[in-house]
Amino acid sequence: DTGVSQNPRHKITKRGQNVTFRCDPISEHNRLYWYRQTLGQGPEFLTYFQNEAQLEKSRLLSDRFSAERPKGSFSTLEIQRTEQGDSAMYLCASSFYAGDRVLRGYTFGSGTRLTVV
Amino acid sequence: AQKVTQAQTEISVVEKEDVTLDCVYETRDTTYYLFWYKQPPSGELVFLIRRNSFDEQNEISGRYSWNFQKSTSSFNFTITASQVVDSAVYFCALTPSGNTPLVFGKGTRLSVIA
Repeated sequence: DTGVSQNPRHKITKRGQNVTFRCDPISEHNRLYWYRQTLGQGPEFLTYFQNEAQLEKSRLLSDRFSAERPKGSFSTLEIQRTEQGDSAMYLCASSFYAGDRVLRGYTFGSGTRLTVV
Repeated sequence: AQKVTQAQTEISVVEKEDVTLDCVYETRDTTYYLFWYKQPPSGELVFLIRRNSFDEQNEISGRYSWNFQKSTSSFNFTITASQVVDSAVYFCALTPSGNTPLVFGKGTRLSVIA
């Protein structure tokens, strides 16, 4: 169990630029989640995948945001035309959902801190 | 709707004191999972405990203990003999049925002073 890995750890970008973050989940986990955390707040859900299928998107996920998990392994989160309000910590988590309300794990990565200047 | 309330925004204690962090949750599901995470200044969320709604046994892990009471919808976390390294923000979280994303409280910032 190597944990959930996120890259990069920090990203500074100019307003209007596009950015992409990567998340590598724990290999045996079938679910992958993206959350956003702003200063002084708890993490807020953005979107999640079961294998390669994107099951739910939060209303926080504007059309400038897109997430993929092409082969059911790693995932990418892209933000287009970044705005200063996008500055936050972007957290990825993975878990194993066995169906019938059985959940195992729920491990977070170290996050990617985005600063839009 | 699901909701997690951590009423204590900040707590400050002197080293070796015991401290309890409160968590109250709301859900209509009969099966749900509750979590506690620690977020030190470095920013990562460190998993502390996951509890299924059918397991009401209290749990102790070293200096940490958790008190789960369905009757009051609370899942409180106690640190015994606090240490400076316990200083962090602590989050309580809920997933109804385990099949939906986590809903987090706003967190409690704990400062342990030497």
